[in-house]
Amino acid sequence: DAKTTQPTSMDCAEGRAANLPCNHSTISGNEYVYWYRQIHSQGPQYIIHGLKNNETNEMASLIITEDRKSSTLILPHATLRDTAVYYCIVRVGDYKLSFGAGTTVTVRA
Amino acid sequence: ETGVTQSPTHLIKTRGQQVTLRCSSQSGHNTVSWYQQALGQGPQFIFQYYREEENGRGNFPPRFSGLQFPNYSSELNVNALELDDSALYLCASSLKGVDGYTFGSGTRLTVV
Repeated sequence: DAKTTQPTSMDCAEGRAANLPCNHSTISGNEYVYWYRQIHSQGPQYIIHGLKNNETNEMASLIITEDRKSSTLILPHATLRDTAVYYCIVRVGDYKLSFGAGTTVTVRA
Repeated sequence: ETGVTQSPTHLIKTRGQQVTLRCSSQSGHNTVSWYQQALGQGPQFIFQYYREEENGRGNFPPRFSGLQFPNYSSELNVNALELDDSALYLCASSLKGVDGYTFGSGTRLTVV
């Protein structure tokens, strides 16, 4: 699986959009980009995934650059409950998830 | 629809002992994966079970072993516990060929 690079931490104001970047410059053509988050003392929670088109669901939007070497997860209206560690993962198939250290997002009132 | 449940939630063991952790998969899921998460790090893949057989393994020694039962529940066994085995152990279930993992809340293992 390709390696991803994310900022260690970021702060966000409650009610504002949170934009979480992820670099995956070695991604191959059949690897998907996944985002999970982990709220303290809980298991990781699936957020969204995509291959090359932008995706949106009830939780977030995923913007993937045309060359697929980077992506951005957008939380449109961050709330205090969105405070968590966010993981960007690239993989193919349903075999395993390779987690990095993730980005610790703190939403402040 | 029930999610993934793990037991126990917390456990303290002595170095050299053996431990068994349990996981009940989400209804309709037939694949179970186990992950180890050390403090401050992301989860690391241990292995996956499908149709009661190991379907892939991460970089963990043989003293980490598992089972999957006909009802798709699973056990993780760790022999000869070491201090570095102290971690949160996460179980995730999925349906083979269908994307999406559901994680349990984990078992916090402390080895003293």
